[in-house]
Amino acid sequence: KQEVTQIPAALSVPEGENLVLNCSFTDSAIYNLQWFRQDPGKGLTSLLLIQSSQREQTSGRLNASLDKSSGRSTLYIAASQPGDSATYLCAVPGGANNLFFGTGTRLTVIP
Amino acid sequence: GAVVSQHPSWVICKSGTSVKIECRSLDFQATTMFWYRQFPKQSLMLMATSNEGSKATYEQGVEKDKFLINHASLTLSTLTVTSAHPEDSSFYICSAIVEVGGNQPQHFGDGTRLSIL
Repeated sequence: KQEVTQIPAALSVPEGENLVLNCSFTDSAIYNLQWFRQDPGKGLTSLLLIQSSQREQTSGRLNASLDKSSGRSTLYIAASQPGDSATYLCAVPGGANNLFFGTGTRLTVIP
Repeated sequence: GAVVSQHPSWVICKSGTSVKIECRSLDFQATTMFWYRQFPKQSLMLMATSNEGSKATYEQGVEKDKFLINHASLTLSTLTVTSAHPEDSSFYICSAIVEVGGNQPQHFGDGTRLSIL
C-alpha cells in the first residue's frame, strides 16, 4: 500500500523567505502527484499537478518538482507571504483513482 | 469548471442522530466520487469509493452499515452517518473525477465539519 510522508510537519518562517516542503512516497508507479493547500477548517485547493513524465511544474511563486525514481517531490515557495500560511498536502493516486495523502506540513509565515 | 459542491458545511447534532451529507458535481458528470475523513491534525483518509449506479467500495475498517453511501445520479453522491456518536466527529470531504482513468485530477468539495454532542 502506498505511503506518503511529508517533512517537516510544521514550519515557521519570516515573511519574504524562500522555503521548500518535502514529500516522499513508497510506490513510484504513479501517474501524477498533486500539491494541495488546506486552510484551517476548510476544503482543499489544488495548487499544482505534476505528471509522471514531468520533472517540474510552476505556478506563480510555486514550483513543484518530481523525482519518481527516488519517490520524492518538493514544493518550493518563493518570497513567502503571510497569506501563504496554511497546511500543504501532497497526494498521489491509487489504483482506483483515489488519492493517498501525505501527513501535511503546517506552514506559518510571520509578518 | 469542475466545481464540486458539498452541503452542509457544518453540522452539530446529538448523539444517535443520523446525518446526511451531499456532494454534487455542478458542471460535470462524475461517474466516481470519493469520500474522505480527516480527524484533527491528521491527513485525509479514504473512506469509500462511490460509483454511480452501483454499491460503494469501502476501505478496510470503515463500517458500511454505519456510513451509507448512495450515488444515484451522475451529479450527486450522499453520505449518511447513521446513529452518529461523538467518535464520528470529524471533517468529511468528497471529491469527484470527470472520468475514470489513470491520470485524472480530483476536484474536491469544501468539506463538512460534523460535531456530535
